[in-house]
Amino acid sequence: QSVLTQPPSVSAAPGQKVTISCSGSSSNIGNNYVSWYQQLPGTAPKLLIYDNNKRPSGIPDRFSGSKSGTSATLGITGLQTGDEANYYCGTGDSSLSDGSWVFGGGTKVTVL
Amino acid sequence: EVQLVESGGGLIQPGGSLRLSCAASGLIVRGNYMSWVRQAPGKGLEWVSAINSAGGTYYADSVRGRFTISRDNSKNTVYLQMNSPRAEDTAVYYCARTYQVPPRFDYWGQGTLVTVSS
Repeated sequence: QSVLTQPPSVSAAPGQKVTISCSGSSSNIGNNYVSWYQQLPGTAPKLLIYDNNKRPSGIPDRFSGSKSGTSATLGITGLQTGDEANYYCGTGDSSLSDGSWVFGGGTKVTVL
Repeated sequence: EVQLVESGGGLIQPGGSLRLSCAASGLIVRGNYMSWVRQAPGKGLEWVSAINSAGGTYYADSVRGRFTISRDNSKNTVYLQMNSPRAEDTAVYYCARTYQVPPRFDYWGQGTLVTVSS
């Protein structure tokens, strides 16, 4: 059982848009920055979004992030087959031991 | 270019011990906050431990007292000593640089698989 709640899966046709929600509480998302990670099959996670809505260099603007209260959302527009992956949200949590991070359970994106 | 290369994984019996290594290039480990994040087969990500630039250490409750994170500045390497492992510690262990402000895991290694089984 993950501390942050994500839908297990979302799907859409190529070119369409998907959104992935990440729900938490005041001890994590409510008072921390959220980051998002993309994990392609058989590979290590890759930073996709940080500081709630910023993209590292090289990440296309088809990927966007937002945060409101104790929830965050990742959006992917212009869906491509190469976007099929698992996506995880993550943030710090002050209710746990110092320095703790928590992640969502992951959302599998399927391109129909 | 930053590279993190994990090694040391393998099959270990419950109650044994194992040390994972994370060799870094392109960054200086003593000047960075480094973490271990694991992923059980078919499961999500779980933060395990971290060491900050001052040498302070942090642990998830699930591994506190059993795992120890450390670093060797001369080898630019971070370690995770796993003692008294349990079956539920079976996972791929990733090393990641943890940028602090704003916080994120911005560089990841390829991971090393640890299997705890008798």
